[in-house]
Amino acid sequence: EAGVVQSPRYKIIEKKQPVAFWCNPISGHNTLYWYLQNLGQGPELLIRYENEEAVDDSQLPKDRFSAERLKGVDSTLKIQPAELGDSAVYLCASSFGTSGRTDTQYFGPGTRLTVL
Amino acid sequence: ILNVEQSPQSLHVQEGDSTNFTCSFPSSNFYALHWYRWETAKSPEALFVMTLNGDEKKKGRISATLNTKEGYSYLYIKGSQPEDSATYLCAFLQGGSEKLVFGKGMKLTVNP
Repeated sequence: EAGVVQSPRYKIIEKKQPVAFWCNPISGHNTLYWYLQNLGQGPELLIRYENEEAVDDSQLPKDRFSAERLKGVDSTLKIQPAELGDSAVYLCASSFGTSGRTDTQYFGPGTRLTVL
Repeated sequence: ILNVEQSPQSLHVQEGDSTNFTCSFPSSNFYALHWYRWETAKSPEALFVMTLNGDEKKKGRISATLNTKEGYSYLYIKGSQPEDSATYLCAFLQGGSEKLVFGKGMKLTVNP
């Protein structure tokens, strides 16, 4: 069974440029998560989808970040414009149920973003 | 703000040593604790989901215990091998919340 797929794995851009990350969750997983991991910190939730609905986007900086999960499968996370402080690893995860409480979350390898 | 602490932050051991590290979390309103293992350049891998006080789970040479009353979980690796080198993350889930709160991780390096 294929795991969570993310692309690109690495991205280097100049500040003020836009950038997009793509995630394909495990087939059949209803819940999809985007996390941000800054250096030396644990992952922090940005947004959680149940099917195509964003049920928790309270931590998503909406002035520059946007996300979508059309058709409740793949998801894209966008930053426009990127700032130096956005340099981090962006992780996508998925889980089977619509309640993440004890469901195991399966993570992708992440996209490492460097903003110059 | 929920505080999930992991200690030590990093550990260097020799092959064959056993290791023990701690995840501390709020003892009130506990719901679940997740442990993950994250090797460099790979995806974080789920190890355990623990929900009951006194739980003990085992996967090969790795085991974990849970004390919800005092707010800690231990992760124990018996006879560490170089392939155990990774960052070990714990994540706490509070009752009434759907959001995992991660610790900063514990980086283990096992030297051959």
